[in-house]
Amino acid sequence: GAVVSQHPSRVICKSGTSVKIECRSLDFQATTMFWYRQFPKQSLMLMATSNEGSKATYEQGVEKDKFLINHASLTLSTLTVTSAHPEDSSFYICSARDVGQGIGEQYFGPGTRLTVT
Amino acid sequence: QKEVEQDPGPLSVPEGAIVSLNCTYSNSAFQYFMWYRQYSRKGPELLMYTYSSGNKEDGRFTAQVDKSSKYISLFIRDSQPSDSATYLCAMSAGTALIFGKGTTLSVSS
Repeated sequence: GAVVSQHPSRVICKSGTSVKIECRSLDFQATTMFWYRQFPKQSLMLMATSNEGSKATYEQGVEKDKFLINHASLTLSTLTVTSAHPEDSSFYICSARDVGQGIGEQYFGPGTRLTVT
Repeated sequence: QKEVEQDPGPLSVPEGAIVSLNCTYSNSAFQYFMWYRQYSRKGPELLMYTYSSGNKEDGRFTAQVDKSSKYISLFIRDSQPSDSATYLCAMSAGTALIFGKGTTLSVSS
């Protein structure tokens, strides 16, 4: 089946530093990748959609200069949280979709728990 | 009113019970309906994916969509302790997925 990995699984950083999270599709080519954020006992909130080779599309209220997304290849997308603050602490999850797959056929990574101290 | 409403539970049932999980929605443009299972500290796993009214069955799982009532359900037959997880409904009009908050299910042996 389709496998998506994320790295790191957990990261703790100091306020003001930047953190990069990687999302990889291991056995398929992900033409579209999605980045979500999930707070405890809350639903997944879409942050941005990225298509390989083009700029990411950010959801309303998500600062594109703070959450930098790069989708440079068909198997890798990165999310960089710049100048992180404690309120950025959350569970970040990516998902990937292959060309021809329906909107619901997104395969999710295991998530990255970010804690900003 | 939120676009997707889902009772967060928690829902506790004994092993072998039939479980019914539900979501309601307000956006009549939603065409695609999904159910995901999420274990603690893990990413969601797609369980069921439908795009029409009616029932879809896969093993012990049955997804039901009633577009006229804007209501979807997931039934789990012969529930097992390994089914203990959070179940998220999700819907789409063709672009982004809109998730419910998830219902936490606990199946006791």
